[in-house]
Amino acid sequence: EPEVTQTPSHQVTQMGQEVILRCVPISNHLYFYWYRQILGQKVEFLVSFYNNEISEKSEIFDDQFSVERPDGSNFTLKIRSTKLEDSAMYFCASKRTTNTGELFFGEGSRLTVL
Amino acid sequence: GENVEQHPSTLSVQEGDSAVIKCTYSDSASNYFPWYKQELGKGPQLIIDIRSNVGEKKDQRIAVTLNKTAKHFSLHITETQPEDSAVYFCAASEYHDMRFGAGTRLTVKP
Repeated sequence: EPEVTQTPSHQVTQMGQEVILRCVPISNHLYFYWYRQILGQKVEFLVSFYNNEISEKSEIFDDQFSVERPDGSNFTLKIRSTKLEDSAMYFCASKRTTNTGELFFGEGSRLTVL
Repeated sequence: GENVEQHPSTLSVQEGDSAVIKCTYSDSASNYFPWYKQELGKGPQLIIDIRSNVGEKKDQRIAVTLNKTAKHFSLHITETQPEDSAVYFCAASEYHDMRFGAGTRLTVKP
């Protein structure tokens, strides 16, 4: 069964460092997303991406965040200068079309900022 | 934007009992309401969903009801089993983004 894959599964970084989280969405999907989940809290929407551009972003997704689809398969989330409060699990998700609705999530990348 | 409230935050039931989790949403334009189950260390997985043109949907032991007028929807799990223990999230969306509730940690005691 096709799945969304994310790397790394866990990354530890120093405050102020840049981090890139990588995702390979399901191959025939057109809509891509990043969500964040701070330990024990709700899953929070960060950004949606369609047709090589951001379609919507939340208030969390400030200038420190960026997303890119550098080739036909990868979808990346970059945090330019990490802060302690960026420590969370980051989930990538994708879906085929808007109408189907179902989001498929990856297993997540745990980011720990020291 | 959409705001989704979910209750209760924790729920403990005996194996075989039913469990009900309730959510409300704020944006009347939302038309898609999925429920996700998240097991420890994993990403959320869709277990059932309902669209705004339907009031109820059932899949074996799981059912979801939707009241569009009141802007609330509920998940019902009957004959609970220990493997149902997980965190459950409701969500609501119209098109691109999906907003989640805060989650309910369900514990099914054998």
